[in-house]
Amino acid sequence: QKEVEQDPGPLSVPEGAIVSLNCTYSNSAFQYFMWYRQYSRKGPELLMYTYSSGNKEDGRFTAQVDKSSKYISLFIRDSQPSDSATYLCAMSSFSGGYNKLIFGAGTRLAVHP
Amino acid sequence: GAGVSQSPSNKVTEKGKDVELRCDPISGHTALYWYRQSLGQGLEFLIYFQGNSAPDKSGLPSDRFSAERTGGSVSTLTIQRTQQEDSAVYLCASSPDEASGDEQFFGPGTRLTVL
Repeated sequence: QKEVEQDPGPLSVPEGAIVSLNCTYSNSAFQYFMWYRQYSRKGPELLMYTYSSGNKEDGRFTAQVDKSSKYISLFIRDSQPSDSATYLCAMSSFSGGYNKLIFGAGTRLAVHP
Repeated sequence: GAGVSQSPSNKVTEKGKDVELRCDPISGHTALYWYRQSLGQGLEFLIYFQGNSAPDKSGLPSDRFSAERTGGSVSTLTIQRTQQEDSAVYLCASSPDEASGDEQFFGPGTRLTVL
């Protein structure tokens, strides 16, 4: 079993839809939870970062962490074609003297006009 | 300022040849990471540098893979006797220090194809 599980999709939605992306994990030591966005042929870029359980909102994006269920989500409201990308969840724990990131497989999202 | 840069952007090689991939991190970033991303897979951790030393090499898949970092800046990932299963995108990331390792800044990657 992988430490981080993420449905690879692809996910196709119409413009304006609400998108829900999810990851589950097995390591209870994870403390930091991130979402990265990766456009085609580009490197991933940090989108959202959360530390504790609860919600964090940034514009059209909301990150949700439920440590008791070992489940994290990213919601995108009013999705736009420019949101079309692969979304990678990542989580880390301080181990071996540094924060080591473990990534999910990524969910490919396509938002069509 | 300049982000993380990697070269070459694409590399096609024949099975059995050696390849070198280069990463220039953001100036002043002491932590540097290499990852591998295969089609449909997430990022697979390869190695972590703090300065010029590599405290964590646990992700290197075999002894054909090695990496070094000089001057606390540029890093080179070397793959010897390449195999077809080495074909992937190799990504480099840097962060200001190990404590902020969660905020990693990625380069565009090197797409390696082994024929």
